[in-house]
Amino acid sequence: GQQVMQIPQYQHVQEGEDFTTYCNSSTTLSNIQWYKQRPGGHPVFLIQLVKSGEVKKQKRLTFQFGEAKKNSSLHITATQTTDVGTYFCVTGNQFYFGTGTSLTVIP
Amino acid sequence: GAGVSQSPRYKVAKRGQDVALRCDPISGHVSLFWYQQALGQGPEFLTYFQNEAQLDKSGLPSDRFFAERPEGSVSTLKIQRTQQEDSAVYLCASSLVTGQATDTQYFGPGTRLTVL
Repeated sequence: GQQVMQIPQYQHVQEGEDFTTYCNSSTTLSNIQWYKQRPGGHPVFLIQLVKSGEVKKQKRLTFQFGEAKKNSSLHITATQTTDVGTYFCVTGNQFYFGTGTSLTVIP
Repeated sequence: GAGVSQSPRYKVAKRGQDVALRCDPISGHVSLFWYQQALGQGPEFLTYFQNEAQLDKSGLPSDRFFAERPEGSVSTLKIQRTQQEDSAVYLCASSLVTGQATDTQYFGPGTRLTVL
């Protein structure tokens, strides 16, 4: 199956600091999706990227798809406690989930 | 329906017992997926249905796992002779169209299975 790695695996930030998670694939991706899973919850769709070099923003969240379509990033500006959770990148028709980045925000 | 529902939410089974997990997708959604999520891990794909057809079951870990969706709506994941390594949260997701990579998946709350 596809190998999709995310870094870092864990991230602790002070509230108000920025946060970035990276998703790297060994193969070229047709598209990539990002999901967020709160502790004890289920994955919730955030965004989809399709085009090379695409950048999309949702309030404090910025999503980017690499030019080679092999990597993607999610950047959160000025984190809030509501941002706590695990962020997954998802690829492929079988919806392969990346390893995830668990974000903890310290108030 | 308002969203994807799953039942039971929690299931405790003794090793060797059979279990059946139910998923009610969003009404009208064509595609249905099952995932297994172990503690601290990301969801792992198990199987995929398009209507009543099981188009991909490559993720099922053994022949003890069986899934069906006979009328193209409700789906059941059955695990026979449960083992401790089957302990996980089983997530169901549905999507409106044909399960392509560009679809948005809507997840249910999951069933937490604990095998003693």
